[in-house]
Amino acid sequence: KAGVTQTPRYLIKTRGQQVTLSCSPISGHRSVSWYQQTPGQGLQFLFEYFSETQRNKGNFPGRFSGRQFSNSRSEMNVSTLELGDSALYLCASSFSTSGPTDTQYFGPGTRLTVL
Amino acid sequence: GESVGLHLPTLSVQEGDNSIINCAYSNSASDYFIWYKQESGKGPQFIIDIRSNMDKRQGQRVTVLLNKTVKHLSLQIAATQPGDSAVYFCAETLYSTLTFGKGTMLLVSP
Repeated sequence: KAGVTQTPRYLIKTRGQQVTLSCSPISGHRSVSWYQQTPGQGLQFLFEYFSETQRNKGNFPGRFSGRQFSNSRSEMNVSTLELGDSALYLCASSFSTSGPTDTQYFGPGTRLTVL
Repeated sequence: GESVGLHLPTLSVQEGDNSIINCAYSNSASDYFIWYKQESGKGPQFIIDIRSNMDKRQGQRVTVLLNKTVKHLSLQIAATQPGDSAVYFCAETLYSTLTFGKGTMLLVSP
């Protein structure tokens, strides 16, 4: 069974631009969560989608948004990029029907660099 | 490879030693805990989990211990191998989301 895939793997943008990252979960998984990883803050939860609905949201500004499609694939979007948005963005999927308490499996991440 | 964290606590061991990585979690109401391993340039990889109604769980070469009294979690790796070198994160469920610790870097010397 294929793992979680994320595209693109690397991305370079400039301040003020917007970016869309994509995540394909493991087949059969309906929950997709997004995380931001930086050296200073570690792994921080962005949001979780289940059945095309945002079920949980972390403490990030509204510039960070996401969506989930009927096939469980998910995208996240960051608008008006800032230098501090440079990070590794990780997607994780699980079967979970009751929240992210089932095992989450991570993709390799998208490395975003904002210049 | 890509760095997953700077200024992380580091545990250096020799190949064949047993390793113990510790984690203090924040909320006494957390009911599910996971240990992840992250190698350079990769996403976190699930190692082992434990629910709050248990105090010990064993896997292949790994054991997780949970002490709810002091809100402490530990990961024990038996016969550590160079391939175990990575950053290890504990995570707790808190308000229906997973909250990760800062991580510990494990360095295994041949």
